[in-house]
Amino acid sequence: DAGITQSPRHKVTETGTPVTLRCHQTENHRYMYWYRQDPGHGLRLIHYSYGVKDTDKGEVSDGYSVSRSKTEDFLLTLESATSSQTSVYFCAISESEGRLYNSPLHFGNGTRLTVT
Amino acid sequence: AQSVSQHNHHVILSEAASLELGCNYSYGGTVNLFWYVQYPGQHLQLLLKYFSGDPLVKGIKGFEAEFIKSKFSFNLRKPSVQWSDTAEYFCAVRNYGQNFVFGPGTRLSVLP
Repeated sequence: DAGITQSPRHKVTETGTPVTLRCHQTENHRYMYWYRQDPGHGLRLIHYSYGVKDTDKGEVSDGYSVSRSKTEDFLLTLESATSSQTSVYFCAISESEGRLYNSPLHFGNGTRLTVT
Repeated sequence: AQSVSQHNHHVILSEAASLELGCNYSYGGTVNLFWYVQYPGQHLQLLLKYFSGDPLVKGIKGFEAEFIKSKFSFNLRKPSVQWSDTAEYFCAVRNYGQNFVFGPGTRLSVLP
């Protein structure tokens, strides 16, 4: 398995509080992604990064922000958590450069977030 | 926008039955295609991928998939399923250099 660590693995928080999820990789891959997984929706892209300080929005980015100050770390912040953000969040990485421009995604173990 | 559909929400099979899970995508250009599996409580793992060449792709654990460009399909197959194949299966598509798009998933339950 790719060296991807997500923390925390589980979190319960209250509506209106800020929450930060962390993704740490040891593969030195350029691309990092945050997805959320909800029943019936599969995986939906929240934000992604294509390098240090280079990020862009995915299809469900409202209410989320990201930061990437180092190659190995990609943080996802819920500015003010809402119940609709209760979900399982997966970080993924991909090489996607040069001859590996379309290499697969490799996923972390996920963070289960509950907003009460 | 690119979209991916998976024909079945939930498939129930007995052990040793054959499996075929459907996947269709909307983009007409060059695509890379993937199947991922998610065992209960775990993260997604790559089963197989298609980039180019032979449209019949073999993956891990006896799975294979066939890319049919004219039908925009990439169906997953296994000749004989086992109880341990119980999981959720996701098809994913990626255009050249673009982001991945995932289907909604198909839950497979294999009865012992």
